[in-house]
Amino acid sequence: GENVEQHPSTLSVQEGDSAVIKCTYSDSASNYFPWYKQELGKGPQLIIDIRSNVGEKKDQRIAVTLNKTAKHFSLHITETQPEDSAVYFCAAIRRGGGNKLTFGTGTQLKVEL
Amino acid sequence: DAMVIQNPRYQVTQFGKPVTLSCSQTLNHNVMYWYQQKSSQAPKLLFHYYDKDFNNEADTPDNFQSRRPNTSFCFLDIRSPGLGDAAMYLCATSRDSPGQGRTDTQYFGPGTRLTVL
Repeated sequence: GENVEQHPSTLSVQEGDSAVIKCTYSDSASNYFPWYKQELGKGPQLIIDIRSNVGEKKDQRIAVTLNKTAKHFSLHITETQPEDSAVYFCAAIRRGGGNKLTFGTGTQLKVEL
Repeated sequence: DAMVIQNPRYQVTQFGKPVTLSCSQTLNHNVMYWYQQKSSQAPKLLFHYYDKDFNNEADTPDNFQSRRPNTSFCFLDIRSPGLGDAAMYLCATSRDSPGQGRTDTQYFGPGTRLTVL
């Protein structure tokens, strides 16, 4: 089955700096890659996603890049703010896999003042 | 504004006492999912419904059951909660059928934190 690895497990940045979280997946049949932000005590919130026919997608301060050949995708947050502090999960869905999300292990992002 | 609603947000039960968690959605999505999330871990899928078709994950314990009386509502029943069942339970929805080979975004509710005493 699909396996998604996520790094780093914790990331601390200064406010205003950029943050990058990287994920790799194993199944070349995966074609949809969402990113979720989860604040303490809350449910995961979709922040951006990308499909396999696209290499990059941007939404204001957040961007995601996908390299299908290398089977990795990354989340980029620019001009980080304290409210960006949360756990971020990458995930992959395999085409024909019953819309089942395979999550990465999560990254705890801390934005320090 | 809330699209996936879970009640209650916090639930305390006693060891072995049955408990039911509820989820409702205003998105009119066909698919509803239940996940279990333990501290510092990713969510783990327990089962999902496409419409009224129930799909259990192979490693979901028999202690966990689910009901979906209509499109909007889905319930998670834990028949005899053990200490190891203390976790955050997340409901999610997606628009279309997993069986058609499409990939659709899953939207999560706020979760119910279950404590077992």
